[in-house]
Amino acid sequence: QVQLQESGPGLVKPSQTLSLTCTVSGGSISSGDYYWSWIRQPPGKGLEWIGYIYYSGSTYYNPSLKSRVTISVDTSKNQFSLKLSSVTAADTAVYYCARRLGAAAGFDYWGQGTLVTVSS
Amino acid sequence: SYELTQPPSVSVSPGQTARITCSGDALPKQYAYWYQQKPGQAPVLVIYKDSERPSGIPERFSGSSSGTTVTLTISGVQAEDEADYYCQSADSSGTVVFGGGTKLTVL
Repeated sequence: QVQLQESGPGLVKPSQTLSLTCTVSGGSISSGDYYWSWIRQPPGKGLEWIGYIYYSGSTYYNPSLKSRVTISVDTSKNQFSLKLSSVTAADTAVYYCARRLGAAAGFDYWGQGTLVTVSS
Repeated sequence: SYELTQPPSVSVSPGQTARITCSGDALPKQYAYWYQQKPGQAPVLVIYKDSERPSGIPERFSGSSSGTTVTLTISGVQAEDEADYYCQSADSSGTVVFGGGTKLTVL
């Protein structure tokens, strides 16, 4: 059974960089079948896709966040990471990592999510 | 930017049929996916590729597509089905898009 687990600081100051890591267990992140994504959900609001990475390192980001987002992968640790720069209060959200079967598929496994609050 | 439109809320009595719609111009060309999210939990995929049901999802969940609208149908609604439901698809460039979500209330 594949499991995903987000980790990282729960509080980030405005203008700083938010950094999160997703650890994948029960399966290899290097499997060529999957795309590894970040998705966020502001409190009481809907879901917003941030971007995804393939094990080879190729990425695709939401155009609305592209200038501030970097997603990277560490296959040796079976992890992928998110960096979101110049954060504001609007970036306060539950951040989920998720697995996508194929570049045009749905998200079949999700982490439990981690709340990141942007506040001084 | 591309948008998927869902009704904010749907209410049904137990045992009835709930239908949640999702509209988007690219839906005739892109598959739709549906997620169920209960409070404090991560979303769960309940329908993929418009109408396919993942293993472990009850048969009362079904999906259909017609033109620019896809529909999630829950037959014989149970109290445990009360949740937020999100549709998801992609635009022509591959950018993933989620609908705004529909709160299903079981009366």
